[in-house]
Amino acid sequence: NAGVTQTPKFQVLKTGQSMTLQCAQDMNHEYMSWYRQDPGMGLRLIHYSVGAGITDQGEVPNGYNVSRSTTEDFPLRLLSAAPSQTSVYFCASSYSTDGGYTFGSGTRLTVV
Amino acid sequence: ELKVEQNPLFLSMQEGKNYTIYCNYSTTSDRLYWYRQDPGKSLESLFVLLSNGAVKQEGRLMASLDTKARLSTLHITAAVHDLSATYFCGGGSNYKLTFGKGTLLTVNP
Repeated sequence: NAGVTQTPKFQVLKTGQSMTLQCAQDMNHEYMSWYRQDPGMGLRLIHYSVGAGITDQGEVPNGYNVSRSTTEDFPLRLLSAAPSQTSVYFCASSYSTDGGYTFGSGTRLTVV
Repeated sequence: ELKVEQNPLFLSMQEGKNYTIYCNYSTTSDRLYWYRQDPGKSLESLFVLLSNGAVKQEGRLMASLDTKARLSTLHITAAVHDLSATYFCGGGSNYKLTFGKGTLLTVNP
């Protein structure tokens, strides 16, 4: 049971490049979310999904796209990377809101 | 929009001492979560509090929830070095979880 798997663990992008951060869970969780963590800012919600085919925006969605074609996968796309998107990104999933969310190990992204 | 405020943001304490971290939130929240994060690591779920008056304990940590005061507390009893970490509280509804900025706890010998 792998839990929540995020790839890659580290990435350096040039401004304007695009990329996809992968997130997969094998726990059959309906609820999945993406957060970014910046020093002194805590974690901020980017996008979330309550099931396959259903996504919605969080607190800081600009510059990011998501889709949820399967229960297992919830990729986060950066369309045109900017230095302000330098951050640590965490994916999380849960079977219900009554239980705790399981977080992935994170992706450390640097945009130069 | 839910706002979550933790205090203190930094806490340095001696081993064996007790202390409390406070988590205030601005609007109604269905539930309150506490997480722990070690440096460079992911977040680990500690407690999920679902109703007013809920109290949960695990080892030296005890969390409580007062929905009327919109306040949750994380109480540390007889701190040990292994508890050094950043602690986050979070709340929300409809699957949108909002976190506080975290409390960096350092336990000194």
